[in-house]
Amino acid sequence: EAGVAQSPRYKIIEKRQSVAFWCNPISGHATLYWYQQILGQGPKLLIQFQNNGVVDDSQLPKDRFSAERLKGVDSTLKIQPAKLEDSAVYLCASTLSWGQLNSPLHFGNGTRLTVT
Amino acid sequence: AQKITQTQPGMFVQEKEAVTLDCTYDTSDQSYGLFWYKQPSSGEMIFLIYQGSYDEQNATEGRYSLNFQKARKSANLVISASQLGDSAMYFCAIGGGSNYKLTFGKGTLLTVNP
Repeated sequence: EAGVAQSPRYKIIEKRQSVAFWCNPISGHATLYWYQQILGQGPKLLIQFQNNGVVDDSQLPKDRFSAERLKGVDSTLKIQPAKLEDSAVYLCASTLSWGQLNSPLHFGNGTRLTVT
Repeated sequence: AQKITQTQPGMFVQEKEAVTLDCTYDTSDQSYGLFWYKQPSSGEMIFLIYQGSYDEQNATEGRYSLNFQKARKSANLVISASQLGDSAMYFCAIGGGSNYKLTFGKGTLLTVNP
């Protein structure tokens, strides 16, 4: 079974530029998550999709961050314009059975973003 | 709202010894799940073990076991016979509620010494 795919692996941009990250979840996984992990901290949920609908985006800075999952499969996360504090690893995760507590999240390798 | 507290920023253990990583949680949900993940320096998040709030027995997965004390709201991870490859960040997480998502703690950096 192929895992969660993310690209790019690394990205360096200047502040005020825009950037986009891509995620392809495990086949058949209806629920997809984007997490932000700042160095030395635990992952923080940015947005959660169930198929192509948003379930939770309460912690997404909507003035600069946007995400979509148009066909209910792969997803993109965009930042525009980027700030220095956006430097972090952006992790995508998916799970098979939303609402089934014992279904773990499977994570991709993440995209490490550096904003200079 | 759900919250995870990991009070040990770093832990050291000798190879082949056992180590306990602490995790306490807070939730208003009656039904919830507790997870532990390992994050090596390479960055991937690796699922280790799961404990359901209604599970009567502590979960075990190979060298990993979860010491679940519901009344104390704690879910400590026990790693037996530590190996050098166990050196990594370890995150405790809780899931449940109407929107199934995981809330993570700040993590514990485990270093296994030879």
